[in-house]
Amino acid sequence: DIQMTQSPSSLSASVGDRVTITCRASQSISDYLNWYQQKPGRAPKLLIFATSSLQSRVPSRFSGSGSGTDFTLTISSLQPEDFATYYCQQSYSTPYTFGQGTKLEI
Amino acid sequence: QVQLVQSGAEVKKPGSSVKVSCKASGGTFSSYSITWVRQAPGQGLDWMGRITPIFGTANYTQDLQGRVTITADESTSTAYMELRSLRSEDTAVYYCARERGTTRWFDPWGQGTLVTVSS
Repeated sequence: DIQMTQSPSSLSASVGDRVTITCRASQSISDYLNWYQQKPGRAPKLLIFATSSLQSRVPSRFSGSGSGTDFTLTISSLQPEDFATYYCQQSYSTPYTFGQGTKLEI
Repeated sequence: QVQLVQSGAEVKKPGSSVKVSCKASGGTFSSYSITWVRQAPGQGLDWMGRITPIFGTANYTQDLQGRVTITADESTSTAYMELRSLRSEDTAVYYCARERGTTRWFDPWGQGTLVTVSS
């Protein structure tokens, strides 16, 4: 199975900050990497697919990059509604696996 | 656009089974795969398995092999996830989601179904 390791596991930041979350795969996954945002009591929401493609209606302050084994999610200027937990997920091969999550706190 | 609506919360005894449904509206049900993900309280997301209705084929995580079955009924645009021999550690919110694109991202998601396993 492909292991996905996210860092940091938690992060404190302020409105307006630039934030970067990293995700590392245990083997190359090409660009088969997706990012989700989850708020308490809600289903995950797709933010970025195929490493760097922004999902429709997701604000442009979110961006993704990387290839192979190393990937990043960047939020250019944090807004109050961005405080949530973020997960990376590989879809290169089954079992599809998620990172352990990064909780972004004020 | 596609929407996924799941069945309601369940409380089950250890050793019993649960079957959660996921009804799709909009789109062509057979043309995309449905994946199932679960989330134990306060924990992360765990992929359980997927089905491609047009082929009727499913595959599962090895961790649940033998206890989980995912099926799909094209006539009602509904996918099902059955989990057997329930244990307390199966207490979780269970989500279905549609797989999209060549690189297989999950969107949209169902609203989630809480399954509580307790004696």
